[in-house]
Amino acid sequence: GENVEQHPSTLSVQEGDSAVIKCTYSDSASNYFPWYKQELGKRPQLIIDIRSNVGEKKDQRIAVTLNKTAKHFSLHITETQPEDSAVYFCAASIQWRGSQGNLIFGKGTKLSVKP
Amino acid sequence: EPEVTQTPSHQVTQMGQEVILRCVPISNHLYFYWYRQILGQKVEFLVSFYNNEISEKSEIFDDQFSVERPDGSNFTLKIRSTKLEDSAMYFCASSDRTGVRNGYTFGSGTRLTVV
Repeated sequence: GENVEQHPSTLSVQEGDSAVIKCTYSDSASNYFPWYKQELGKRPQLIIDIRSNVGEKKDQRIAVTLNKTAKHFSLHITETQPEDSAVYFCAASIQWRGSQGNLIFGKGTKLSVKP
Repeated sequence: EPEVTQTPSHQVTQMGQEVILRCVPISNHLYFYWYRQILGQKVEFLVSFYNNEISEKSEIFDDQFSVERPDGSNFTLKIRSTKLEDSAMYFCASSDRTGVRNGYTFGSGTRLTVV
């Protein structure tokens, strides 16, 4: 089955710097890659996602890149702010018409943004 | 914005007791899921449910677990005889048809503590 590896497990940056979190996946059939942000004691919240027919997607300060050949995808946060501090999870799944596969999550990255 | 609702938010139970965790998915969603997160660890897939039946389940989802959609709105997870290692945050999630709108919406979770 699918296996998702995520690095680093912890990341500390200064406010205003960029943060990059990387994930690799094992199943070449995976075609949907969301990123979730989880604040302490709260639910995972979708912040951005990408499908395998796209190489890059951007939403304001957040971007995700996907390299299908290498089977890795990355989250980029620019101009980090203290409120970006949270645990970030990547995930992978297989979606096809009429069906929605389950998400396989990475182990998470605890991002700390220091003021 | 539509939400997935979970009750209770926190449940404490004696080892060996049965528990039922309840979820109300988003009304026009068709796919329903249970995930769990042991404290400090990644989110793990338990089971997916579509068209009134289980579509996929993980190794974690053994004979002690069952799911049900007893009416048009609720989606429940039952643990028949709880063990200490079942202590975790349990998240319900729902999603709509592939390609219509991306992403899974997670509920706020039920923290299960088995003593």
